[in-house]
Amino acid sequence: EAEVAQSPRYKITEKSQAVAFWCDPISGHATLYWYRQILGQGPELLVQFQDESVVDDSQLPKDRFSAERLKGVDSTLKIQPAELGDSAMYLCASSLTSGDAYNEQFFGPGTRLTVL
Amino acid sequence: AQSVTQLDSQVPVFEEAPVELRCNYSSSVSVYLFWYVQYPNQGLQLLLKYLSGSTLVKGINGFEAEFNKSQTSFHLRKPSVHISDTAEYFCAVRDSSASKIIFGSGTRLSIRP
Repeated sequence: EAEVAQSPRYKITEKSQAVAFWCDPISGHATLYWYRQILGQGPELLVQFQDESVVDDSQLPKDRFSAERLKGVDSTLKIQPAELGDSAMYLCASSLTSGDAYNEQFFGPGTRLTVL
Repeated sequence: AQSVTQLDSQVPVFEEAPVELRCNYSSSVSVYLFWYVQYPNQGLQLLLKYLSGSTLVKGINGFEAEFNKSQTSFHLRKPSVHISDTAEYFCAVRDSSASKIIFGSGTRLSIRP
């Protein structure tokens, strides 16, 4: 069964360091999402891609966060510099398209980031 | 802006007992509603969704939910829970005119033997 892959699963870093997370969506899925899930809260959308283009990055802290999906397939989310408040689970999801509710979002296992 | 409220942060129940997890959303003309389950250190899995039609929606693992437009609620129910249902459950809403899904803060379901 096709799955969304994410790596690493766990990352510990010190504040002010740079970190990067990778996501490989289900083959053929045009839409890719990055979510941040703070402990005890629901996921919050950081950025949404349609193919290689950003559709929504309104909640992405652009002073330190960046995301790219250069070839419209896999994606990288970067934080530089990391802050203590960035400790969270970072979830990647993909769907066939974004405009139709019938296209379910499939989630990867997430990357748990701890900033010391 | 759309919002979702899950009134209970934790719900403890005994095995084989019924359970209801509550969810309310802010009013909108037309919405899609979802319940997701998250097992420890895993991503989210879709349990069920309401898009249109019958207000009673059946999902996986024996769960069902009822859409109540007048009360803007979408409560999740299961008649008899199992230890394996221990997880966090998230209610989510999406305006039919948008693609962004808004998640609630989650309800942790703990099953006692």
